Amino acid sequence: GESVGLHLPTLSVQEGDNSIINCAYSNSASDYFIWYKQESGKGPQFIIDIRSNMDKRQGQRVTVLLNKTVKHLSLQIAATQPGDSAVYFCAEIPPTSGTYKYIFGTGTRLKVLA
Amino acid sequence: EPEVTQTPSHQVTQMGQEVILRCVPISNHLYFYWYRQILGQKVEFLVSFYNNEISEKSEIFDDQFSVERPDGSNFTLKIRSTKLEDSAMYFCASRGQGEDGYTFGSGTRLTVV
Repeated sequence: GESVGLHLPTLSVQEGDNSIINCAYSNSASDYFIWYKQESGKGPQFIIDIRSNMDKRQGQRVTVLLNKTVKHLSLQIAATQPGDSAVYFCAEIPPTSGTYKYIFGTGTRLKVLA
Repeated sequence: EPEVTQTPSHQVTQMGQEVILRCVPISNHLYFYWYRQILGQKVEFLVSFYNNEISEKSEIFDDQFSVERPDGSNFTLKIRSTKLEDSAMYFCASRGQGEDGYTFGSGTRLTVV
């Protein structure tokens, strides 16, 4: 069935280093992907999105890369800061969903080390 | 910045009791959603709501669940007879016309004892 999965459950990085969080998706026909950040006790917060007609999209300190050939999505965070510590989810909207239902991955916990 | 507001932040209820989780979506949004997250697991879709009716629901959303938009501003999720396995964080989200991204609320932690 449809699934969105993450390669690493926990990622620890030094403050100031770049972080790369990976995600695999299974529905090759999905055309929209999103990264969300979830801090402890809070709801998911939108970070960045990308459509399937793009390979790369940049935001402020974040970049999302989409590799449709291997159905892989990654989130790059430049100069990681303590405030970036959170769980990061990727999500896709499968093409069969007319209601913009998201399918979320399991999540990767990012720990920023001082 | 507009927010989605959820109340209460934490609800403890006895098994078999009814609970109502409340949400105030962003005022000009038209699409509304409930998701849940069992501790340590991924966020799962429950139901989407548009034009005063359910537009899609998951297999989790059985007859014990219902949603309502009673007054044009609130969006509620009711669980009629709670089970232990209903313990989770419940997130409400809303989306505007022509937008792809949701705005999520901070969630209600439901604990069934």
